[in-house]
Amino acid sequence: ETGVTQTPRHLVMGMTNKKSLKCEQHLGHNAMYWYKQSAKKPLELMFVYNFKEQTENNSVPSRFSPECPNSSHLFLHLHTLQPEDSALYLCASRQTAPTPYNEQFFGPGTRLTVL
Amino acid sequence: GQNIDQPTEMTATEGAIVQINCTYQTSGFNGLFWYQQHAGEAPTFLSYNVLDGLEEKGRFSSFLSRSKGYSYLLLKELQMKDSASYLCAVIDSNYQLIWGAGTKLIIKP
Repeated sequence: ETGVTQTPRHLVMGMTNKKSLKCEQHLGHNAMYWYKQSAKKPLELMFVYNFKEQTENNSVPSRFSPECPNSSHLFLHLHTLQPEDSALYLCASRQTAPTPYNEQFFGPGTRLTVL
Repeated sequence: GQNIDQPTEMTATEGAIVQINCTYQTSGFNGLFWYQQHAGEAPTFLSYNVLDGLEEKGRFSSFLSRSKGYSYLLLKELQMKDSASYLCAVIDSNYQLIWGAGTKLIIKP
């Protein structure tokens, strides 16, 4: 257990569905991240929240919509996805102050399949 | 552009030693991480290097040469449970993490 939980662990959805991924961290960290992990590719950073404010959006399509209601919770809302969006979606958290060099703690991920 | 290179897959024998290399080209450098990821699980932190040299932590050691843009992870006395992917990541000048694609390590009896 890393202190970061994600639900659901597995999700199968059609291209017209709307679903949400949830992440919760119990570590008191101030920054939270969404990553996409595809086979044999580097982790792709999608969104970064620092103290609930979005500080990074790496040209992610609008069919992915993040929400961070507080420093402990992070959501990724999904709608009208494409089959190529099938991947493992990882959430991570980190304490960025007083030092920016602290490691990230990852959740177990949500395995998403888009039919 | 920024780039991190790692071998895609390596195979080693139980009880042996294996070295996983990582080379990087990034805009600035503020440290390098190694993570371990078992199939279907979260990546977990192994090591952080920011100064040149070798950092030893039990059976695992990590080495860094900033002038060469190079790091390696050394795993000794390999066990079957070490079968996993090993991810290299560099903090660039903007304090963003740049990730390699990972090295899948297969341990054979």
